[in-house]
Amino acid sequence: ETGVTQSPTHLIKTRGQQVTLRCSSQSGHNTVSWYQQALGQGPQFIFQYYREEENGRGNFPPRFSGLQFPNYSSELNVNALELDDSALYLCASSLPGGNTGELFFGEGSRLTVL
Amino acid sequence: GQNIDQPTEMTATEGAIVQINCTYQTSGFNGLFWYQQHAGEAPTFLSYNVLDGLEEKGRFSSFLSRSKGYSYLLLKELQMKDSASYLCAVSRKYGGSQGNLIFGKGTKLSVKP
Repeated sequence: ETGVTQSPTHLIKTRGQQVTLRCSSQSGHNTVSWYQQALGQGPQFIFQYYREEENGRGNFPPRFSGLQFPNYSSELNVNALELDDSALYLCASSLPGGNTGELFFGEGSRLTVL
Repeated sequence: GQNIDQPTEMTATEGAIVQINCTYQTSGFNGLFWYQQHAGEAPTFLSYNVLDGLEEKGRFSSFLSRSKGYSYLLLKELQMKDSASYLCAVSRKYGGSQGNLIFGKGTKLSVKP
């Protein structure tokens, strides 16, 4: 069974640039959620994708966007980067209607915006 | 709105018992999770409570009172490897899928010899 994988693991960008983060969900999982975790904070829900459509969104501006592909992998795109976007971005996959709704997290992509 | 509160930091001794409390206020409550997160690593699932009461799993137990908006995670026979952040998270129903999680800020537990 393959777990959730994310790439890149670390990256550095400057203000105003754009970034794309990628996630491959755990085998058989068709729901992908993205979270932002600032240092010393809990993860904050960005959005969730189910069957290639956005299925819920947290309190993040439109410059945060995403995609889900037919193989259930997903991308998170952030435009016009700001310093406060520096954080660990976590992808989590799950099975809808599963026993617990448990999320399986990837190791994350650590973004630094200078 | 949603609000989840848990202590920022706790310290305990190896071999002891520690209880980490979590209070929450949220609409559309579906269940409560506890995750463990070691520094620099992804959160990993510990427990899930949807009904009131105590769920026991080895050295870890989790309790939920929906009427009080309260949960705790109990760690017994503490080991040094239990030093980590413990995240309380509430699940809410969203469309046709399982709920998305609203996380607290986490409780950093330090286990000392």
